[in-house]
Amino acid sequence: EPEVTQTPSHQVTQMGQEVILRCVPISNHLYFYWYRQILGQKVEFLVSFYNNEISEKSEIFDDQFSVERPDGSNFTLKIRSTKLEDSAMYFCASSLEQGNTGELFFGEGSRLTVL
Amino acid sequence: GENVEQHPSTLSVQEGDSAVIKCTYSDSASNYFPWYKQELGKGPQLIIDIRSNVGEKKDQRIAVTLNKTAKHFSLHITETQPEDSAVYFCAASRANAGKSTFGDGTTLTVKP
Repeated sequence: EPEVTQTPSHQVTQMGQEVILRCVPISNHLYFYWYRQILGQKVEFLVSFYNNEISEKSEIFDDQFSVERPDGSNFTLKIRSTKLEDSAMYFCASSLEQGNTGELFFGEGSRLTVL
Repeated sequence: GENVEQHPSTLSVQEGDSAVIKCTYSDSASNYFPWYKQELGKGPQLIIDIRSNVGEKKDQRIAVTLNKTAKHFSLHITETQPEDSAVYFCAASRANAGKSTFGDGTTLTVKP
């Protein structure tokens, strides 16, 4: 069964450092997302991406965050200067369609720990 | 924006009993309501979903009901098994929207 894969599974970084989280969505999917989950809390939407541009972003997704799909297979989330409060599990998701016809397939997550 | 509330936050049942988790939403334009199961250390996995044009959907031991007038929807698991133990999230989204708003999650424990 096709799946969304994410790397790294766990990254530890110092505050102020740049971090790139990588995702390989399901190959025929068109819509890509990043969500995050702070330990013990709900899953929160960060950004959606379609046709090589951001289609929607949340208030969490400020200027420190960026996404790109550099080579047609990878989908990356970059955090420019990490803060302690960026520590969370980051989930990539993809879907073939959008909204109420598009089942989201989530990866297993990348745990980011900012010290 | 959309706000989804989920209850209870924890639920403990005996194996074989039923479990019910309830969610309410605020945006009347939301029309897609998925339920996800998250096992420890893994990403959320869709287990069932319902669209606003139906009131109930069933898949083996799992069912979801939707009351659009009251803006609430519920997950029902019958004949629970220990492997049903996980965190369950409800979510809501609009047509043609990429964003799903999640509830706070329910930790279900099924005791053998």
